[in-house]
Amino acid sequence: SQQGEEDPQALSIQEGENATMNCSYKTSINNLQWYRQNSGRGLVHLILIRSNEREKHSGRLRVTLDTSKKSSSLLITASRAADTASYFCATDLPNAGGTSYGKLTFGQGTILTVHP
Amino acid sequence: SQTIHQWPATLVQPVGSPLSLECTVEGTSNPNLYWYRQAAGRGLQLLFYSVGIGQISSEVPQNLSASRPQDRQFILSSKKLLLSDSGFYLCAWRPRGGPGVVTQYFGPGTRLTVL
Repeated sequence: SQQGEEDPQALSIQEGENATMNCSYKTSINNLQWYRQNSGRGLVHLILIRSNEREKHSGRLRVTLDTSKKSSSLLITASRAADTASYFCATDLPNAGGTSYGKLTFGQGTILTVHP
Repeated sequence: SQTIHQWPATLVQPVGSPLSLECTVEGTSNPNLYWYRQAAGRGLQLLFYSVGIGQISSEVPQNLSASRPQDRQFILSSKKLLLSDSGFYLCAWRPRGGPGVVTQYFGPGTRLTVL
């Protein structure tokens, strides 16, 4: 089964509103990453949060991580039509040595539509 | 700066035909390399990863194989395609480094349709 599960599956908002997407996972992680995918394109890395961090910011993005609940959220503030895309969380599991081979496990994604 | 290329961008192949998808990375050396597949409307599934030339690890049993003949070249192959091999194939790389190096960079992808 998927390590990461996002909700909602789809989110439709107006420009200027905030968008919040959630991700839950099942096992201990090394870090959690959020990616964006425009329709039919490759993925673009947005932000990474390590297991010992609780919150990170990057521009209009804010990510939180609650390892006790095994969940993360991505907040996009003041959304724009150009933010329309699919958003995925990906978990990076530690190997036996506690580091990572980068074997990311992705959730199913949230489709965000921002209406002008 | 580093760039990652994939080709072809789109491919339509008949069932039973062979497959070869290529991925190359420029501007870096000794990267970790990854092949993912994305089925329609779903997330990505890791198929293979490589930490060096000739070193391939398979993550899921399947009809595909991977090879790394050169440091910055990663090839995904099949001898006989199945309908279920259809999907969007993405190659990614990550710099080799210490515990702090974790971000992966994705190529533009190859959309494969098996008919």
